[in-house]
Amino acid sequence: AQSVTQLDSQVPVFEEAPVELRCNYSSSVSVYLFWYVQYPNQGLQLLLKYLSGSTLVKGINGFEAEFNKSQTSFHLRKPSVHISDTAEYFCAVITNTGFQKLVFGTGTRLLVSP
Amino acid sequence: DVKVTQSSRYLVKRTGEKVFLECVQDMDHENMFWYRQDPGLGLRLIYFSYDVKMKEKGDIPEGYSVSREKKERFSLILESASTNQTSMYLCASRATVRRNTEAFFGQGTRLTVV
Repeated sequence: AQSVTQLDSQVPVFEEAPVELRCNYSSSVSVYLFWYVQYPNQGLQLLLKYLSGSTLVKGINGFEAEFNKSQTSFHLRKPSVHISDTAEYFCAVITNTGFQKLVFGTGTRLLVSP
Repeated sequence: DVKVTQSSRYLVKRTGEKVFLECVQDMDHENMFWYRQDPGLGLRLIYFSYDVKMKEKGDIPEGYSVSREKKERFSLILESASTNQTSMYLCASRATVRRNTEAFFGQGTRLTVV
């Protein structure tokens, strides 16, 4: 069965600084990978996804992520954060075979301060 | 525009009540999911359905059941609500015809059991 680990429960950062949110996964089969963002009192919104091809994926709001198969990682990055990026970020994995169960990590709260 | 609608944003129920949480999607998606979200635990999968009348247990199915009589509607049932089921519940749907699509989420239902 697949699983997702987000080691950092909270990441504080100053505005305009770069940030990296870490995600590692485990799966015995090929997977698709996703990052979602959740703003307060809202549902989840897709930031970006990796399906195949180029390992560097660009998403909305200036975010990007790099798929590293050998390290089973899919870390999320942004070169310069804004106050409005304060939110919770979830990494998710789904297998591309079988029942396609969508599994999430425990989330990372990004706190951007001035 | 893609739409996943959960019937209530907020619910307060008494211990022992039978509770129905409804989710409707308008995208003709095959897969539908129910998650609960708790601080520090991320999104945990309760049940998912990959077709009408088909369901699979997720990671925490105890105390819950589901119903999918029509493709667009996926109901989560708490047979006898307990205080430890106080949580945010999120519904999602996803297509599988093209096996690389992301999941779309409803706004969530915050359930309080007193």
